[in-house]
Amino acid sequence: AQTVTQSQPEMSVQEAETVTLSCTYDTSESDYYLFWYKQPPSRQMILVIRQEAYKQQNATENRFSVNFQKAAKSFSLKISDSQLGDAAMYFCAYRSAGETSGSRLTFGEGTQLTVNP
Amino acid sequence: DTGVSQNPRHKITKRGQNVTFRCDPISEHNRLYWYRQTLGQGPEFLTYFQNEAQLEKSRLLSDRFSAERPKGSFSTLEIQRTEQGDSAMYLCASSLRGFTWNAEAFFGQGTRLTVV
Repeated sequence: AQTVTQSQPEMSVQEAETVTLSCTYDTSESDYYLFWYKQPPSRQMILVIRQEAYKQQNATENRFSVNFQKAAKSFSLKISDSQLGDAAMYFCAYRSAGETSGSRLTFGEGTQLTVNP
Repeated sequence: DTGVSQNPRHKITKRGQNVTFRCDPISEHNRLYWYRQTLGQGPEFLTYFQNEAQLEKSRLLSDRFSAERPKGSFSTLEIQRTEQGDSAMYLCASSLRGFTWNAEAFFGQGTRLTVV
């Protein structure tokens, strides 16, 4: 079974600064996907960024980028130029590329990000 | 189509009562998932459907829980004889079947259940 661990229950950042959220995972599979989801106070989970395990290049989406270290099973999220609207709970998630898991997601415990003006 | 819709948004029930939640997925999505999220934790997988077939159930899904997806469209999650430990946010997500980015899951806003 796969597990996802987020060791930072809370993080804070000053507006316009950069913050990095950590995530590690454990799997015996070689092909999988990793995701960062954002859950604002309204509770709807929103996909922030995704990474395919077979791709060495780190994914980037505007101010969001990841540092994917496959050998270390690490998948951190960097938020640049932090904005007040970035304040939310962030979840790291794993999805197997195989059919047996039915594309279900395994989530970490979450990191609550506060952005200070 | 405005995304995944869940009803009700909030439900307060007395212990021992039955409750039913509804999820309307994105119309072209053939996969539908139910997750449970307790306060301060990440969502945990409960079950998923491909069209009308329920293909997997988590060990978290006790005999008091039942889910259906008649005709492969909307889904219902019923909890019988609710217990205080059932208090949580119940999230629904839908996706297309596949192994590419087309299988991205879209989530609803959830139903918050409080058992008193």
